Amino acid sequence: NAGVTQTPKFRILKIGQSMTLQCAQDMNHNYMYWYRQDPGMGLKLIYYSVGAGITDKGEVPNGYNVSRSTTEDFPLRLELAAPSQTSVYFCASSDGRVNQPQHFGDGTRLSIL
Amino acid sequence: GENVEQHPSTLSVQEGDSAVIKCTYSDSASNYFPWYKQELGKRPQLIIDIRSNVGEKKDQRIAVTLNKTAKHFSLHITETQPEDSAVYFCAARPSRGGGADGLTFGKGTHLIIQP
Repeated sequence: NAGVTQTPKFRILKIGQSMTLQCAQDMNHNYMYWYRQDPGMGLKLIYYSVGAGITDKGEVPNGYNVSRSTTEDFPLRLELAAPSQTSVYFCASSDGRVNQPQHFGDGTRLSIL
Repeated sequence: GENVEQHPSTLSVQEGDSAVIKCTYSDSASNYFPWYKQELGKRPQLIIDIRSNVGEKKDQRIAVTLNKTAKHFSLHITETQPEDSAVYFCAARPSRGGGADGLTFGKGTHLIIQP
């Protein structure tokens, strides 16, 4: 199993551009999450989903959108990229039982110039 | 919402000595406390976790303790080795969401093992 797969690994965007960060998991997990990690900091929750068709905001959702049309995929959309969105983005998943560990992807390093 | 404080931000220990990293949390509803290790440029990897019905958990050289009354939990690494050098993050999750809520992370501790 590949686990949680994120693409791309690196990306440079210009201010105002849009892009979608892809996340896919092959563990049949119901729960999926997007976090961002700024330099020297812990991870902060952007959005999460408890199943296909259901999403909810985390701590820092402004400037992002998500969708969950399938169990496997949970893309994160940046509509108008801003320098403040320069960060490393991690996707994670866990199964539907209470208090199960989250498994992280390798991350997408995004720079907005 | 939950707030997690982690100390120290940097910890340097001699190889073979023990290392202790401490975290406090604010939300008494939190009942799941994982610890992650992150090497430079890599993903966070779960090393140990504890649930609120347990006071201590051990896995070889790693142990975690939880004091729910004081709302703090700690990571203990014994007989440290060079490969233990990394950034360690504590996290907490409240029970309100039935386990679906995301984690709230501390800011991390950079552990340096001196040869």
